[in-house]
Amino acid sequence: AQSVAQPEDQVNVAEGNPLTVKCTYSVSGNPYLFWYVQYPNRGLQFLLKYITGDNLVKGSYGFEAEFNKSQTSFHLKKPSALVSDSALYFCAVSSNSGGYQKVTFGTGTKLQVIP
Amino acid sequence: GAVVSQHPSWVICKSGTSVKIECRSLDFQATTMFWYRQFPKQSLMLMATSNEGSKATYEQGVEKDKFLINHASLTLSTLTVTSAHPEDSSFYICSAPTGGGRGQFFGPGTRLTVL
Repeated sequence: AQSVAQPEDQVNVAEGNPLTVKCTYSVSGNPYLFWYVQYPNRGLQFLLKYITGDNLVKGSYGFEAEFNKSQTSFHLKKPSALVSDSALYFCAVSSNSGGYQKVTFGTGTKLQVIP
Repeated sequence: GAVVSQHPSWVICKSGTSVKIECRSLDFQATTMFWYRQFPKQSLMLMATSNEGSKATYEQGVEKDKFLINHASLTLSTLTVTSAHPEDSSFYICSAPTGGGRGQFFGPGTRLTVL
């Protein structure tokens, strides 16, 4: 079984400061890792993904994430937070074993950027 | 890029009625679509996998007679909440895989409120 853990329910950061949203995962085989963002009453928007290759993945809106195989982590980062980044962030994992793309989501982390 | 749409975006109904939610892939074909349910301030829970031309695969604990899924074509899947009750009120989101384990395209979600 695959699982995702987001240990922080909420992260508060001052505007202009760097932010990190933590994620660890567990999956059989090679992981496919994703970050999605959700604004109130909206669906999920794709931010970035790790499939293979460089451990540092760059995505939309200046976000990036670092894949760490030994720590089974995929933390989301941004060098300088904006108030508009305030939203709910979900980490997700999938494995393509058997061609079945079942995605498991973490519980979400609410990011609050303080002006 | 690929887009997934949902209709309606918000529906309010009386207890005991049935509600149909449509999920469409707008510029690509999807033999598989996923239906998720999201409770307030909680993660997305996979309800079922919709398969074009065959029966849906339901996750453990999801009542298949309650949540009817029909994947009528390569671009349309429907979720019907039968005999809805207030506890069925939730945010329902569908998604379609991009292929190759590279994540999914999510619809904007449908908010169901059962009075």
